Amino acid sequence: EIVMTQSPATLSVSPGERATLSCRASQGVSSDLAWYQQKPGQAPRLLIYGASTRATGIPDRFSGGGSGTEFTLTVSSLQSEDFAIYYCHQYNNWPATFGQGTKVEIK
Amino acid sequence: QVQLQESGPGLVKPSGTLSLMCAVSGGSISNNNWWSWVRQPPGKGLEWVGQISHSGTTNYNPSLGSRVTMSLDKSKNQFSLQLSSVTAADTAVYYCAKFGNSRWLSWFDPWGQGTLVTVAS
Repeated sequence: EIVMTQSPATLSVSPGERATLSCRASQGVSSDLAWYQQKPGQAPRLLIYGASTRATGIPDRFSGGGSGTEFTLTVSSLQSEDFAIYYCHQYNNWPATFGQGTKVEIK
Repeated sequence: QVQLQESGPGLVKPSGTLSLMCAVSGGSISNNNWWSWVRQPPGKGLEWVGQISHSGTTNYNPSLGSRVTMSLDKSKNQFSLQLSSVTAADTAVYYCAKFGNSRWLSWFDPWGQGTLVTVAS
């Protein structure tokens, strides 16, 4: 199975600053990559699919990029509601696999 | 829009069978789509459990072996998960989710709110 590796494990950022999260696949997944946001006690919420397409209702401060094995999620100016855990997910190869998550915390 | 809601026992004994239902509203499970289960052990990451199509075709995570069974109940517009021979390692929040498109591999959207299942005697 494809292993998804996210970095860093924890990212400390001040409100209003830019945050860049990385996700690496152990083999190429084309653009079949999604990002989810999860807050404590809540289900994951889809942010990005197709590596760069924002889901319905997602603010444009969230952007995704990359293809193949290297992907990024950028939050251009962090708001208080953006502090959460973010997961990447590849759906190019069976079985689908997730990264271990990046926690974005307030600096 | 489609909404999903999990239900089932919150406590299962070791070696027993975990059984969960996912009720779908705002859309039909008979439409051309796939439906899935994802789980998350407390404090850990996400693991895909399996998926079932509108026609009943299933795919399961090989890490769970032959312990997983999923089925549809079209009369009630819901789908189910059964996981047999459970151990403490199966303790997790179980989410049901809809595929984002009709392909057999896809992103997950939307998700149910999740239900915690604890395996303990």
